[in-house]
Amino acid sequence: KAGVTQTPRYLIKTRGQQVTLSCSPISGHRSVSWYQQTPGQGLQFLFEYFSETQRNKGNFPGRFSGRQFSNSRSEMNVSTLELGDSALYLCASSFLINYGYTFGSGTRLTVV
Amino acid sequence: QKEVEQDPGPLSVPEGAIVSLNCTYSNSAFQYFMWYRQYSRKGPELLMYTYSSGNKEDGRFTAQVDKSSKYISLFIRDSQPSDSATYLCAMQDQFYFGTGTSLTVIP
Repeated sequence: KAGVTQTPRYLIKTRGQQVTLSCSPISGHRSVSWYQQTPGQGLQFLFEYFSETQRNKGNFPGRFSGRQFSNSRSEMNVSTLELGDSALYLCASSFLINYGYTFGSGTRLTVV
Repeated sequence: QKEVEQDPGPLSVPEGAIVSLNCTYSNSAFQYFMWYRQYSRKGPELLMYTYSSGNKEDGRFTAQVDKSSKYISLFIRDSQPSDSATYLCAMQDQFYFGTGTSLTVIP
C-alpha cells in the first residue's frame, strides 16, 4: 500500500517568492495535517483538514495557507517567503482523527 | 512555558540497555499521547498510541502515561543499533510535539 507522498522533495526559493507544496495521503485517509520542522523549534502544527474542511489551525501567520481537495489530496502555500521559512514541511494523514498519523518524508524548503 | 517539554539529549547507550525517554506537559486536558520515531531524512513513524493514563506494551516498547504528574515515558528494552533515531512525543490531536530526543545505541 502506498504511503503518504509529498512533492517536491527539495525546493530552493528566493525571499519574497511563493511556494506550493503537495501531499497525497494514503488511500482512504480523509484527515491530512501539515507540520513545519526546524532544528530549533521542532515539529510545529500548521493546519489540519478533514473532508475538505479546515478543522484546526496552528499559530502561523496568514502567509501560510492550505486546502484539501475532494480526493483528499492537500496543498499548502506559503506566500512572500522569508529566510525563516526554511524548514522541512511534513504532511501526515490518518483514517480517523486523533488516532495517530502516517507521515510523508517531507519537502525540504530552503529560502535564500 | 511550552505545552510539551522533552529533553533533547543526545542520549547514548550500549546495545542491550534499557532506554527511558520522557516528556512533560502542562495541559491537564490532554487525553491522547503518542510516541514517534524519526530516522534521519525521513518523516516520523508512529510507535505507540495511548489514551488517558496507564501502560501499553508493544514488543520491546512500553509507553506509560501518568496524568496526575503530567508525565509520559517510553521505555525500550534490549535496545538495538537500529533503534538509533530521534524520538518525539506528541499529544492531543497531534497539535503538540516535543522537540525530540536523539538516541544512539552503540553496538
